[in-house]
Amino acid sequence: AQTVTQSQPEMSVQEAETVTLSCTYDTSENNYYLFWYKQPPSRQMILVIRQEAYKQQNATENRFSVNFQKAAKSFSLKISDSQLGDTAMYFCAFIGGSNYKLTFGKGTLLTVNP
Amino acid sequence: DVKVTQSSRYLVKRTGEKVFLECVQDMDHENMFWYRQDPGLGLRLIYFSYDVKMKEKGDIPEGYSVSREKKERFSLILESASTNQTSMYLCASTRGIEDPEAFFGQGTRLTVV
Repeated sequence: AQTVTQSQPEMSVQEAETVTLSCTYDTSENNYYLFWYKQPPSRQMILVIRQEAYKQQNATENRFSVNFQKAAKSFSLKISDSQLGDTAMYFCAFIGGSNYKLTFGKGTLLTVNP
Repeated sequence: DVKVTQSSRYLVKRTGEKVFLECVQDMDHENMFWYRQDPGLGLRLIYFSYDVKMKEKGDIPEGYSVSREKKERFSLILESASTNQTSMYLCASTRGIEDPEAFFGQGTRLTVV
């Protein structure tokens, strides 16, 4: 069974600084997708960034980038130039192979301080 | 834009009541999911469906059932609500394994008293 582990329940960062959120996963699949989702206080879950396992290049979306280490089964999210609006719960998620099941980690609550 | 709509944002029900949570998506997505979100536990999968009338148990199906009679609608049913089912419930949909990005509803906060 696939599992997703986020080892940091809470983190904080000063505005304009950089922060990295950790995620590890366990799977026997070779083809899969990884995601970071953001859930602000409004509760609406929003996709931040996605990574296909077959792509070696790390995904980037503006201030958000990932460090995907396939062999280590690690998928961390880096947020550069943190903004107050980045305050949210961040979830790492996995879907793989022929399995339709989308599995989430327990989340990391990120607070950006002014 | 893909829209996933949950029928209620807040719901209060009594112990023993039969509760229906409805979810509708408007983008012809194949797969639909129901999650439960609790502090410190993240999102836990209750049930998912990969086609009309098809369903599979997730990680915590006990006390729940689902129905998918039409492609766009996925219902979560609490046959006899209990206080330990007080939680946030999130519905999601995806196009399929070839495009697995999930789109979420706004969540239903259910309180069972």
